[in-house]
Amino acid sequence: AQTVTQSQPEMSVQEAETVTLSCTYDTSESDYYLFWYKQPPSRQMILVIRQEAYKQQNATENRFSVNFQKAAKSFSLKISDSQLGDAAMYFCAYRAAQGGSEKLVFGKGTKLTVNP
Amino acid sequence: DTGVSQDPRHKITKRGQNVTFRCDPISEHNRLYWYRQTLGQGPEFLTYFQNEAQLEKSRLLSDRFSAERPKGSFSTLEIQRTEQGDSAMYLCASSQQGIRETQYFGPGTRLLVL
Repeated sequence: AQTVTQSQPEMSVQEAETVTLSCTYDTSESDYYLFWYKQPPSRQMILVIRQEAYKQQNATENRFSVNFQKAAKSFSLKISDSQLGDAAMYFCAYRAAQGGSEKLVFGKGTKLTVNP
Repeated sequence: DTGVSQDPRHKITKRGQNVTFRCDPISEHNRLYWYRQTLGQGPEFLTYFQNEAQLEKSRLLSDRFSAERPKGSFSTLEIQRTEQGDSAMYLCASSQQGIRETQYFGPGTRLLVL
């Protein structure tokens, strides 16, 4: 069974600084998708960024970028120029590619605090 | 543009009572998912539908849980004879099947069983 591990229960960053959240996963599949979701306090989960495993190029979305290391099964999220609104729980998630289970497998999350 | 909606947002019930939650997906999405999230944990998969067919169920989904998606539109999740351990946030997500498939989440229903 696939598993996702987030080893940092909590992280903090100063406003305007850069922070990296870690995620590792375990799978025997060669094709899959990886996601970072953000869950602000008492608000719904929203997608931050996605990565297809067959793509070597790391995904970027404005201030958010990933470092995808397929061989190491590592998928970290870098947030640049951190803003107060980035404070939230961040969840790393895995999904098998077409033909496998369609469910998302989540890590336990990292709580990010942004200090002014 | 309407996202995924869930009703009710909060539910307090007594142990042994039945509860039903509703999820309305994004209108063009043919897949619908239910997850459960307890405090300090990531969401855990419960079940998913493609159109009206329930294609996968987690072992977490005991006999007391049932989900339906009549006509492939909205979905309901019913919990019978609730137990205190059922207290959690129940999340619904929807997606459109395809190569760029992404699940979009609703705000959740927070259940408290007393």
